Amino acid sequence: DIVMTQSPDSLAVSLGERATISCKSSQSVLFSSNNKNYFAWYQQKPGQPPKLLIYWASTRESGVPDRFSGGGSGTDFTLTISSLQAEDVAVYYCQQYYSTPYTFGQGTKLEIK
Amino acid sequence: QVQLQESGPGLVKPSETLSLTCTVSGGSISSYYWSWIRQPPGKGLEWMGYVYYSGSTNYNPSLKSRVTISVDTSKNQFSLRLSSVTAADTAVYYCARVGYGDYNYYGMDVWGQGTTVTVSS
Repeated sequence: DIVMTQSPDSLAVSLGERATISCKSSQSVLFSSNNKNYFAWYQQKPGQPPKLLIYWASTRESGVPDRFSGGGSGTDFTLTISSLQAEDVAVYYCQQYYSTPYTFGQGTKLEIK
Repeated sequence: QVQLQESGPGLVKPSETLSLTCTVSGGSISSYYWSWIRQPPGKGLEWMGYVYYSGSTNYNPSLKSRVTISVDTSKNQFSLRLSSVTAADTAVYYCARVGYGDYNYYGMDVWGQGTTVTVSS
């Protein structure tokens, strides 16, 4: 199985400031034939299902604010929120869909400082 | 737009079989993969498996031979069965669609609200 490891486990950022979450996979999730990273980010607010934010490592899902951006390739990825808003308080998960079983990171809890 | 709704018993006895159904509305079940994911209380997400609309399946080996996912295209539904349950199977169970675009399947883009299943006698 591909192990996904997020850092940090929790993060407190002031409103309007930048928040960055990292995720590392135990093996590359870059598919060489199409040069796509089979990697996604999700946001989960309390009592709600996860919501897809980013796929192919950097493609924003429709309707996701442009303050959310994804980067990285191969085994190292980041999710950046450029200017934290109150509604961004949530747990964020990374996920690989390069191979089954699909696996998720342990989650990063983002709070307001 | 496409919506998913899980249904099934909220309480299952140890050693029995957990059975859930996900109803797809606002779109067809065809041409997509459909997953089940679970989340134990206060913990992270575990992908359990998926079924293609044609009926082919792929399961998480961690669940060994306990899991079965099936599809009923006539009802626009897919289902989960998990046998020999224990307290460790207590979780919120989500159904989700694997997204598709640009000739590739990607992350899970539509999720149900989730249903809580407790395993207890």
